[in-house]
Amino acid sequence: GENVEQHPSTLSVQEGDSAVIKCTYSDSASNYFPWYKQELGKRPQLIIDIRSNVGEKKDQRIAVTLNKTAKHFSLHITETQPEDSAVYFCAAVRGTGFQKLVFGTGTRLLVSP
Amino acid sequence: EAQVTQNPRYLITVTGKKLTVTCSQNMNHEYMSWYRQDPGLGLRQIYYSMNVEVTDKGDVPEGYKVSRKEKRNFPLILESPSPNQTSLYFCASRNGPEGAYGYTFGSGTRLTVV
Repeated sequence: GENVEQHPSTLSVQEGDSAVIKCTYSDSASNYFPWYKQELGKRPQLIIDIRSNVGEKKDQRIAVTLNKTAKHFSLHITETQPEDSAVYFCAAVRGTGFQKLVFGTGTRLLVSP
Repeated sequence: EAQVTQNPRYLITVTGKKLTVTCSQNMNHEYMSWYRQDPGLGLRQIYYSMNVEVTDKGDVPEGYKVSRKEKRNFPLILESPSPNQTSLYFCASRNGPEGAYGYTFGSGTRLTVV
């Protein structure tokens, strides 16, 4: 089955800096890669996703890149703000059913003012 | 408002006492899933359902049961809870493959088994 590894487990940056979170996956058939943000005490929420036929996707200050050959994908946050502080989860899923979504172990991002 | 509703939000129970965590969605989603979240382990899938009366095991199904008798409801049943099932549980739903792929999560249920 699919296995997703996520690094780093914690990341501290200064406000305005960029943050990068990296994930690798094991199943070359995986074709959909969402990223979730979970603020303290709240539910995970989808912030951006990418499909295997796309190499990069941007949405304002966040972007995701995908390298299918190396089987890794990354989340990039530019101009970080204190409200970006949260736990971020990457995930991978294969097949048209998309029902087996496998998550990474999470990255706790702390943005200091 | 489109949402996934879980109840209860917090639950403390004793070992062996059967319990049910309810999950309901009002978006007419076909797919529903249960996850547990533990520190350092991320979110792990317990069971999922692709439609009414269609369920299957996720990665950590031991000790859990589910049912999908109606499209909107997907309860999680712990027949004989044990302390290692102490965790934060999330129910989630989404459209089928033709629709949006992202899951919408419920608010979570923090379960403590003593």
